[in-house]
Amino acid sequence: DVKVTQSSRYLVKRTGEKVFLECVQDMDHENMFWYRQDPGLGLRLIYFSYDVKMKEKGDIPEGYSVSREKKERFSLILESASTNQTSMYLCASSDVRTGVEETQYFGPGTRLLVL
Amino acid sequence: SQKIEQNSEALNIQEGKTATLTCNYTNYSPAYLQWYRQDPGRGPVFLLLIRENEKEKRKERLKVTFDTTLKQSLFHITASQPADSATYLCALDIGPYSGAGSYQLTFGKGTKLSVIP
Repeated sequence: DVKVTQSSRYLVKRTGEKVFLECVQDMDHENMFWYRQDPGLGLRLIYFSYDVKMKEKGDIPEGYSVSREKKERFSLILESASTNQTSMYLCASSDVRTGVEETQYFGPGTRLLVL
Repeated sequence: SQKIEQNSEALNIQEGKTATLTCNYTNYSPAYLQWYRQDPGRGPVFLLLIRENEKEKRKERLKVTFDTTLKQSLFHITASQPADSATYLCALDIGPYSGAGSYQLTFGKGTKLSVIP
């Protein structure tokens, strides 16, 4: 089974802090994604990566950056946390082999509260 | 860009009945459409994928249809059970706006299904 793990289930941070959210997948997937999910807004893509050291902006990249130094690990960084970044953060990964490339496997999520 | 609408935010049905959830999209036709299940406080879990050249797909008590003329997918759960209570998300590829090899998805906001015993 594909396993995507996220470093924390719950996180409380102060405004202005630098926040790191870590995601690790164990299935050698090329693609990795970071989303945030808010009530009434659904899942929105922040950043994705299709290879080590490669990254692309999603729909809402402002205030975030990412790092992918190893294939299995994709980190989301909030440079200076703000209250409007309080949200559920979800990491996902997907394979690139033909026939299975479309399906995304999600981690359990990190619920971040910024005070 | 693509817009997705899932017919309702919440749907309540009686145990044993068939639940039908709707996903409508605008603009371009996707190459495929997926359905995910999400339980409270958890990440979405993939259920089914249907491609543009397929009319129907089944998996156990689940059935998905895809009508590219109506720009609509229907997701059915037959003989529903309280354990089927969850939020169901529809997702589409973002088509010509995606970067090569990225396989980005755009998600609907979901329909929260409650199956009442």
